[in-house]
Amino acid sequence: EPEVTQTPSHQVTQMGQEVILRCVPISNHLYFYWYRQILGQKVEFLVSFYNNEISEKSEIFDDQFSVERPDGSNFTLKIRSTKLEDSAMYFCASRTGPYNSPLHFGNGTRLTVT
Amino acid sequence: GIQVEQSPPDLILQEGANSTLRCNFSDSVNNLQWFHQNPWGQLINLFYIPSGTKQNGRLSATTVATERYSLLYISSSQTTDSGVYFCAVDHMDSNYQLIWGAGTKLIIKP
Repeated sequence: EPEVTQTPSHQVTQMGQEVILRCVPISNHLYFYWYRQILGQKVEFLVSFYNNEISEKSEIFDDQFSVERPDGSNFTLKIRSTKLEDSAMYFCASRTGPYNSPLHFGNGTRLTVT
Repeated sequence: GIQVEQSPPDLILQEGANSTLRCNFSDSVNNLQWFHQNPWGQLINLFYIPSGTKQNGRLSATTVATERYSLLYISSSQTTDSGVYFCAVDHMDSNYQLIWGAGTKLIIKP
């Protein structure tokens, strides 16, 4: 069964550094998402992406964050200048349509900011 | 906005026991999914079940959309079933972004 793949699985970075989290969505999916989960808390929506544009973003997704689909397969989340509170698990997800279809999640990238 | 409540928050069972996890939501939903988050943090998609009943091995789920709840049944629990079970829904008011419950933490003891 096709899967969403995320790399790296773990990333440790120093405060103020830039990080790029990478995702390869399922190939026939058109809608892409990033979610995050701070340890012990709920999963939270960050951003959705369709047709090479952000379609929705949450209050969490401030100017420090950006997303890009640099080629036909990758979907990236960049955090420009990491803060301690950015430490979390980041999940990429994709689906075929905007609704009436399940989201498929990757295994996540655990980001630790020191 | 739509509220998602899961119960119980914690559940400790012996291996072999059966369990029922509940998800209540405050408005009609377009999509409902159940996930298992394993101890490594990975989210495993269990069911996409906006309505009706589905079964997959020892797991089954039922969503009664008109009464705004969903149930996840785990039979003959195994230690590998341990983890956190999340219910997530979407709704046009949330622009179809998944709204997550707080989860049920399940511990299966050998």
